[in-house]
Amino acid sequence: GQQLNQSPQSMFIQEGEDVSMNCTSSSIFNTWLWYKQDPGEGPVLLIALYKAGELTSNGRLTAQFGITRKDSFLNISASIPSDVGIYFCAGSMEYGNKLVFGAGTILRVKS
Amino acid sequence: NAGVTQTPKFQVLKTGQSMTLQCAQDMNHNSMYWYRQDPGMGLRLIYYSASEGTTDKGEVPNGYNVSRLNKREFSLRLESAAPSQTSVYFCASSFTEVEDTQYFGPGTRLTVL
Repeated sequence: GQQLNQSPQSMFIQEGEDVSMNCTSSSIFNTWLWYKQDPGEGPVLLIALYKAGELTSNGRLTAQFGITRKDSFLNISASIPSDVGIYFCAGSMEYGNKLVFGAGTILRVKS
Repeated sequence: NAGVTQTPKFQVLKTGQSMTLQCAQDMNHNSMYWYRQDPGMGLRLIYYSASEGTTDKGEVPNGYNVSRLNKREFSLRLESAAPSQTSVYFCASSFTEVEDTQYFGPGTRLTVL
């Protein structure tokens, strides 16, 4: 079954606000990935993290691999309308193992 | 590069009918995957193929079969569709099974009546 807890389930924010979402697990993960899914499309990779403590940015997006290796968070700064979508975390417990996905965070932006 | 392509984009079936979902990738990836996405449940792995000639079950394989036709193509077959298989199906690929970064197709929205 699903082993990642992603929160919040949904967010409705004002354009320009910062956004923060996270993923936690009771198991240790070796890889954390963050994907975004636009309506009617497949998930697109945003950021990949491979080392505990790693902090990686991609434009207005920043993600961190937690020190305990059991969590990760994604921040979006100065949100814009095109940030709308579903954000998924995914992790791999062992190299060569399958990805486990969180249930997703639905982001809505009010302009 | 088209990346990962899937056909059809939409399909409606009656209970008991069969169909095959097609997936192809042009990134020379070795590993391919089939997921289903249901509301509030994220993506769940149905089957995967670590390399050409091999297939393995994922988390929810019951009611499905797969074929890794060649390096590029990985198909998913529903032999006797059931309403519980109403879902959005995504194909993904990665360079190797060890390379965790997977790239997804646009999805097939399947409704079983």
